[in-house]
Amino acid sequence: GESVGLHLPTLSVQEGDNSIINCAYSNSASDYFIWYKQESGKGPQFIIDIRSNMDKRQGQRVTVLLNKTVKHLSLQIAATQPGDSAVYFCAENIGGNFNKFYFGSGTKLNVKP
Amino acid sequence: EPEVTQTPSHQVTQMGQEVILRCVPISNHLYFYWYRQILGQKVEFLVSFYNNEISEKSEIFDDQFSVERPDGSNFTLKIRSTKLEDSAMYFCASRAPLGRTQETQYFGPGTRLLVL
Repeated sequence: GESVGLHLPTLSVQEGDNSIINCAYSNSASDYFIWYKQESGKGPQFIIDIRSNMDKRQGQRVTVLLNKTVKHLSLQIAATQPGDSAVYFCAENIGGNFNKFYFGSGTKLNVKP
Repeated sequence: EPEVTQTPSHQVTQMGQEVILRCVPISNHLYFYWYRQILGQKVEFLVSFYNNEISEKSEIFDDQFSVERPDGSNFTLKIRSTKLEDSAMYFCASRAPLGRTQETQYFGPGTRLLVL
């Protein structure tokens, strides 16, 4: 039968392992990026951001890497916990005015205890 | 911790009816947004709002949509004549103008709209 909506890529990891979630963006003019976490039935929750003049930014247990050459963004989660299970989206902003954001399709992270 | 709130959490309406989705942004925030997410799909930008004006809107945000900040606390999204394809989760977001968190948008829990 016909599928409705997007089939999210899923990343399954064991509790305690590190997770890497990837995102490709298409607009070379994008200059600000955010990673969001979305749990079922809830709104997106800010995790970490990075500006285009940086390659790497670290937060608590999370690191974002930006490769402008290949227009690629990644989110690394250290020591993944069951509470990290959610859908993760990257979002990009163009022009630095923060008025409009484009979201990626998302990756579902499944953490196995 | 302050948060964005949205009402109602769920709304069911008949095609052609008007709906108003309500949001109360975080109190010291000045920039406001509406997004929608069709079930199983990506979050889509609808509109941004600042100083009682629309800052930017997407192609989705046509003449059937309007936004308003009727008082100092509420931010509303009105859909004049709903269509089946308007069925989605609608998220409100707000952000502050100053400080390190200048860019960070805080999202509400969403209103699930079902058009029959």
